[in-house]
Amino acid sequence: DAKTTQPNSMESNEEEPVHLPCNHSTISGTDYIHWYRQLPSQGPEYVIHGLTSNVNNRMASLAIAEDRKSSTLILHRATLRDAAVYYCILIYAGNMLTFGGGTRLMVKP
Amino acid sequence: ETGVTQSPTHLIKTRGQQVTLRCSSQSGHNTVSWYQQALGQGPQFIFQYYREEENGRGNFPPRFSGLQFPNYSSELNVNALELDDSALYLCASSGKGEQYFGPGTRLTVT
Repeated sequence: DAKTTQPNSMESNEEEPVHLPCNHSTISGTDYIHWYRQLPSQGPEYVIHGLTSNVNNRMASLAIAEDRKSSTLILHRATLRDAAVYYCILIYAGNMLTFGGGTRLMVKP
Repeated sequence: ETGVTQSPTHLIKTRGQQVTLRCSSQSGHNTVSWYQQALGQGPQFIFQYYREEENGRGNFPPRFSGLQFPNYSSELNVNALELDDSALYLCASSGKGEQYFGPGTRLTVT
């Protein structure tokens, strides 16, 4: 699977939007972009995924650059419960997830 | 619809022993994956089972083995435990797309 690069940590204020970036310059045309998050003392949790077009669901939005070499996970209003490690993962087939270091999001009240 | 469950929650073993960890998949999911997560790191893929057959394997030695049963529950077996095997072991079940993770089993090898 192609490699992704994310900042180690980010900080946000509660009830403000958060934009979590991910670079994936070696992405191939068939790689899907998946985001998972891991809250403290829990297993990872699926957030959202996309291929080319921007995607929205009840948890977040995913904005994908036109050249697909980067993407941004958008939390529209951060809450304290959103404090977690966020992983950006590229998947071609087989559902085998290759996790990197992720971004640790801290939310301040 | 029940989620993914794992047992036991915590386990302490001695170096050289063998351990079996168990996972019950989410209803309707026929694929299960196992991951190892060392403290402070992201999960590392161990292997995946689809309809009782191994469907992919990460960079783990043969002493890590698995089984998937007809009801899609699964086991992870680790032989000849080493101190570095101390980690959180996660299983995840999937149907057509995203994976659903269990809470994990914390294994400590002394």
